[in-house]
Amino acid sequence: AQRVTQPEKLLSVFKGAPVELKCNYSYSGSPELFWYVQYSRQRLQLLLRHISRESIKGFTADLNKGETSFHLKKPFAQEEDSAMYYCALQNYGGSQGNLIFGKGTKLSVKP
Amino acid sequence: ETGVTQSPTHLIKTRGQQVTLRCSSQSGHNTVSWYQQALGQGPQFIFQYYREEENGRGNFPPRFSGLQFPNYSSELNVNALELDDSALYLCASSFSPSSGNTIYFGEGSWLTVV
Repeated sequence: AQRVTQPEKLLSVFKGAPVELKCNYSYSGSPELFWYVQYSRQRLQLLLRHISRESIKGFTADLNKGETSFHLKKPFAQEEDSAMYYCALQNYGGSQGNLIFGKGTKLSVKP
Repeated sequence: ETGVTQSPTHLIKTRGQQVTLRCSSQSGHNTVSWYQQALGQGPQFIFQYYREEENGRGNFPPRFSGLQFPNYSSELNVNALELDDSALYLCASSFSPSSGNTIYFGEGSWLTVV
């Protein structure tokens, strides 16, 4: 079965520290993976997608097929990074918008 | 360009009742997806509509139904409400269902079933 697992409900770091938000997936074939972010009192929005291989707000994520992981990383956390982060997988055979989400990790960056 | 808007923002219903939630897609978008997000969980895909036709459905019972109108706005209808239907219902729209298109979420409708 397709599944996305985010093992940490809460991750707390100090400003300037490195951040790694973990995401593991279960999928047969070539997955299409995303990270979504929800800042306080804002709507859910796309942070990055693996096929773009882009860096957004200093965040990067590398797809590791061997470990079935898509961890989100940032070398130096900022207070404004505090938010809820969701890893998502496009459903097999599904269209864009048919996503399987993890339960999310709340990132808290302390001053 | 207006974003995805949903109504109502909050509502309370009694078990057994029916509810209709509404979504206006972002300008130029013809695809709408609906998600249910229970407290402490990630969003769960309910179904998607593309050009007024259902284009994929998640693991939800038939009492969850939807519509898409010619202007691409959409409704989510839930019959015979159960306590477990209490959740945030999110609508998301995109330019098309094809890969590579970004989906944009609304702020959601909070449904409480008592």
